[in-house]
Amino acid sequence: KQEVTQIPAALSVPEGENLVLNCSFTDSAIYNLQWFRQDPGKGLTSLLLIQSSQREQTSGRLNASLDKSSGRSTLYIAASQPGDSATYLCAVTGHSGGSYIPTFGRGTSLIVHP
Amino acid sequence: DTGVSQDPRHKITKRGQNVTFRCDPISEHNRLYWYRQTLGQGPEFLTYFQNEAQLEKSRLLSDRFSAERPKGSFSTLEIQRTEQGDSAMYLCASSFRDRGTEAFFGQGTRLTVV
Repeated sequence: KQEVTQIPAALSVPEGENLVLNCSFTDSAIYNLQWFRQDPGKGLTSLLLIQSSQREQTSGRLNASLDKSSGRSTLYIAASQPGDSATYLCAVTGHSGGSYIPTFGRGTSLIVHP
Repeated sequence: DTGVSQDPRHKITKRGQNVTFRCDPISEHNRLYWYRQTLGQGPEFLTYFQNEAQLEKSRLLSDRFSAERPKGSFSTLEIQRTEQGDSAMYLCASSFRDRGTEAFFGQGTRLTVV
């Protein structure tokens, strides 16, 4: 059974810092890994999708990397802003009994203070 | 099409009542997922449809829960005889048929059982 762990669970930083959020997974036989953002009481917004054949994806100030063999992904946020405050979730989609079901970590709660 | 839509956004019900939630996926997406999320946790998988077929159900989905996706379009999730432990955010997601594609989430339905 796939297990996804996110470290740290919470992070508080001053505005302008560069951040690294970590995601690890136990089964490296995955199809893709997706990073999401969730604001309090809201649904999930997709940030980046990395296919299993890819090493990284970039969108604006966000860069996500994937090392499938070691079961790790990192989300790098450059020049953080207060508007980046949210919970960041990673989800791994693997092959589970013929189904393709994203499995989530618990998330990293990020606060960026002015 | 503006994305995955869920209705209602909030539901307060008395213990023992039945509730039903609706999810409208992105129109061309044939895969539909239901998740449950409690405070401080990542989303937990409940069930998954490919077109109208319900292909997998989590052990979290007790016999009080039932989900349908008639004609492979919208989906409903019904909870019978609600319990306080059912209080959570219920999230719906959809994706296109290929296994490596991106999952898109709705805004969720917040259920409170009093």
